Amino acid sequence: AQTVTQSQPEMSVQEAETVTLSCTYDTSESDYYLFWYKQPPSRQMILVIRQEAYKQQNATENRFSVNFQKAAKSFSLKISDSQLGDAAMYFCAYRSAKGGSEKLVFGKGTKLTVNP
Amino acid sequence: DGGITQSPKYLFRKEGQNVTLSCEQNLNHDAMYWYRQDPGQGLRLIYYSQIVNDFQKGDIAEGYSVSREKKESFPLTVTSAQKNPTAFYLCASSIYSAGHNEQYFGPGTRLTVT
Repeated sequence: AQTVTQSQPEMSVQEAETVTLSCTYDTSESDYYLFWYKQPPSRQMILVIRQEAYKQQNATENRFSVNFQKAAKSFSLKISDSQLGDAAMYFCAYRSAKGGSEKLVFGKGTKLTVNP
Repeated sequence: DGGITQSPKYLFRKEGQNVTLSCEQNLNHDAMYWYRQDPGQGLRLIYYSQIVNDFQKGDIAEGYSVSREKKESFPLTVTSAQKNPTAFYLCASSIYSAGHNEQYFGPGTRLTVT
């Protein structure tokens, strides 16, 4: 079974600075998808960014980018120019690309605090 | 506006009572999911449904039941057999046939059983 590990329960960053959240995963599959979700205090889960394992290029969405290291099974999230609104729980998630395996496997999350 | 609605936002029940959580989507998605979130645990899959009148157990299905009579609706019943039902419950949906299968989440229901 696949597992996702987020080794940093909490992180903090100064406003306008850059922070990197770590995620590692364990799988024997070669084709899969990886996601970062944000959960603000409202508790609504919001997709931040996704990465297809077959793509070597790291995904980028505005101030959010990932460092995808397939051999190391690592998928970190970098937030540049941090804003107060970035404060939230961040969850890393894995999904197999195998047909019939639509479920997401989540890590336990990292709580990000942004200091003014 | 397209999206997922869950009601109610907060739900209180006495121990021993069954309770049903509502989840409705108007995104025309084929697949729907129920997750449970506990402090420090992340999200865990309870049940999912890829098509009407069909559903599969997730990782923690014991004490829960679901139905999928309509494409738009996927209610979750928390039965009295669920030993620790107090939690935050999230419903999600996705386009079944899409490769990247992005899941969209509802706002959640906080269930407290005393």
